Amino acid sequence: GAGVSQTPSNKVTEKGKYVELRCDPISGHTALYWYRQSLGQGPEFLIYFQGTGAADDSGLPNDRFFAVRPEGSVSTLKIQRTERGDSAVYLCASSLSGLAGGVVLNFGPGTRLLVL
Amino acid sequence: TQLLEQSPQFLSIQEGENLTVYCNSSSVFSSLQWYRQEPGEGPVLLVTVVTGGEVKKLKRLTFQFGDARKDSSLHITAAQTGDTGLYLCAGARDSNYQLIWGAGTKLIIKP
Repeated sequence: GAGVSQTPSNKVTEKGKYVELRCDPISGHTALYWYRQSLGQGPEFLIYFQGTGAADDSGLPNDRFFAVRPEGSVSTLKIQRTERGDSAVYLCASSLSGLAGGVVLNFGPGTRLLVL
Repeated sequence: TQLLEQSPQFLSIQEGENLTVYCNSSSVFSSLQWYRQEPGEGPVLLVTVVTGGEVKKLKRLTFQFGDARKDSSLHITAAQTGDTGLYLCAGARDSNYQLIWGAGTKLIIKP
């Protein structure tokens, strides 16, 4: 079956612009996660969805970042007034369940965002 | 502050050699995962260890979770060029979705 897909694979934008990053999780996976990975670093947690609701958005760096998952499947990460420091690879992952018991994260290939 | 310290940060060895990568913390984790990430791809889960002292083998890869569940190691025997990649460890504490990630070990196996 298909894995997690993310679009676009690369996005170049100018400082101050608005961007949307899309994630298509594995079908049937109720849990969806957004991470950000900077060069030479491990992934940094941004937000976790269980179904349609954001169960934990404590990792969002500021109010310029927002994510939705209106139908409990596809999710969109939205970044307003982009800054050069937002440049990173944005990873999406999904899992069957976000509950305890050894969650298995299935990552997408990421969207490489470059803010000029 | 990096809660999970991985060492070495970078390792380049010849094919056929053995190597060990370490993941250390002062914190206790309920479980710890190892991932491998290739350029342009997301991390792929290799193994999850949950019990202190646990050892898991995956072909030439041996994973160990420390007795106190604060550290872990990944040992590769007879490394192959296909083992090249970024190896990441990630620990789970209160809730498994909120993983604490190390910065990774970049491994290059030369033919």
